[in-house]
Amino acid sequence: DADVTQTPRNRITKTGKRIMLECSQTKGHDRMYWYRQDPGLGLRLIYYSFDVKDINKGEISDGYSVSRQAQAKFSLSLESAIPNQTALYFCATSDLDPASRFFGPGTRLTVL
Amino acid sequence: DQQVKQNSPSLSVQEGRISILNCDYTNSMFDYFLWYKKYPAEGPTFLISISSIKDKNEDGRFTVFLNKSAKHLSLHIVPSQPGDSAVYFCAASALSSNSGYALNFGKGTSLLVTP
Repeated sequence: DADVTQTPRNRITKTGKRIMLECSQTKGHDRMYWYRQDPGLGLRLIYYSFDVKDINKGEISDGYSVSRQAQAKFSLSLESAIPNQTALYFCATSDLDPASRFFGPGTRLTVL
Repeated sequence: DQQVKQNSPSLSVQEGRISILNCDYTNSMFDYFLWYKKYPAEGPTFLISISSIKDKNEDGRFTVFLNKSAKHLSLHIVPSQPGDSAVYFCAASALSSNSGYALNFGKGTSLLVTP
């Protein structure tokens, strides 16, 4: 079984629709993250959470919201999707060691 | 403003030769550096890291060199194998600061190892 699972893996939606991307983990890590990757831009941090009661904005949080439903679950929502949110989205987990950061397989989102 | 820069978008190397991937950074607060490897349709996976108190870290075929004065690090792969073909991301963190959780990523370098 995969340590970090993301659903869906691919999604095509229309402008203005609400979208939720889900992430679950079996690593037992307290820390969870959502990243976005755009071609030629590397990975950028959207939101992060150090435990169930902790939610923090990252570098590019505008237009996104998150929910940490449990230690193992961290979901990302786009309340009203727009075309420039078309990207590859990665969930990640870690403990205190930065080298422990483990990425999920990614969700490819296309907003038409 | 990109604090971690990988100026070579792509690199092609023959099997058995050395691959050298370069990374520069601008933030002098960065004290921990990582390399990730990413295959298509998969998430990045951790490859090797180095603390700023060292100038070299080796793990099998992979060696990372850090030149703090030049704010430059490099990843050496020797010998290169076709399975090393992937996108390599350099990342940096300021562990000693309040933002130690944040990994600042470069744009990535696509390595192709040809038989």
